[in-house]
Amino acid sequence: DAGVIQSPRHEVTEMGQEVTLRCKPISGHDYLFWYRQTMMRGLELLIYFNNNVPIDDSGMPEDRFSAKMPNASFSTLKIQPSEPRDSAVYFCASSRDRVFSGNTIYFGEGSWLTVV
Amino acid sequence: DAKTTQPNSMESNEEEPVHLPCNHSTISGTDYIHWYRQLPSQGPEYVIHGLTSNVNNRMASLAIAEDRKSSTLILHRATLRDAAVYYCIPRGGSQGNLIFGKGTKLSVKP
Repeated sequence: DAGVIQSPRHEVTEMGQEVTLRCKPISGHDYLFWYRQTMMRGLELLIYFNNNVPIDDSGMPEDRFSAKMPNASFSTLKIQPSEPRDSAVYFCASSRDRVFSGNTIYFGEGSWLTVV
Repeated sequence: DAKTTQPNSMESNEEEPVHLPCNHSTISGTDYIHWYRQLPSQGPEYVIHGLTSNVNNRMASLAIAEDRKSSTLILHRATLRDAAVYYCIPRGGSQGNLIFGKGTKLSVKP
C-alpha cells in the first residue's frame, strides 16, 4: 500500500496568497483527518471527515481555512488568504471505520508550509 | 477526552530497555490506550494499543495497570532509530479522532 500521500511536501508562499494542500488517503479508509503541527501548539486536529462528510471542524482556526473531500480518494485543505502565523507542518491521516476504537490512524509525511 | 501526563523527556542508552510511563487517571472504561511516536521530520506512526490486557508486538510491549489509570510503553532494546516523541492517547469508542498531548521526547545515546 502506498500510504497516505500528501502534496506539496514543501511550500513557500507570500502572505496573502492562496495555499492548497492535497491529500490522498489509503484506499478503503473511511476517515480522513487534517492536523497542524507547530512548535508552540504541538499537533492540533483541524478537521476530520467520515465517508467524505465533515464530522468535526471545531479545530479549524478561522474562516480563512476550508477543507473539502469531494470523493473517497481526495481531500484539500485551503488557506485563503495565508498569513505568516499559518506556517506549520500540515499532516493528513486516514483510518478505517471507528467501530472498533482500536483502529490505527496512518499519517502522511506532511506538507511543510512557510508563509513569508 | 481523558487527560494524560507524560514526562517531557527521557534518556536511554542504546540496546537497553526503556520504560515510558503515562498516567491517564480519567480514562473511561471503553477507551483504548494508543501509543504513537513521531520520528524527526516525519508524521506520527502507530506503535501499539490495548484495552485491558498487556500487549506485545514487533515494535514494543504495552503494560496496562489493573485499574487502567496508567500504562507503560516498553521498548525492549532501544536503538538510535527509536529516538522520537512518544504520545500516549486514550481513545474512546465513540471517537473517530486522536487528540495528541505533548508526549515524551526520548533520546537514545550510543
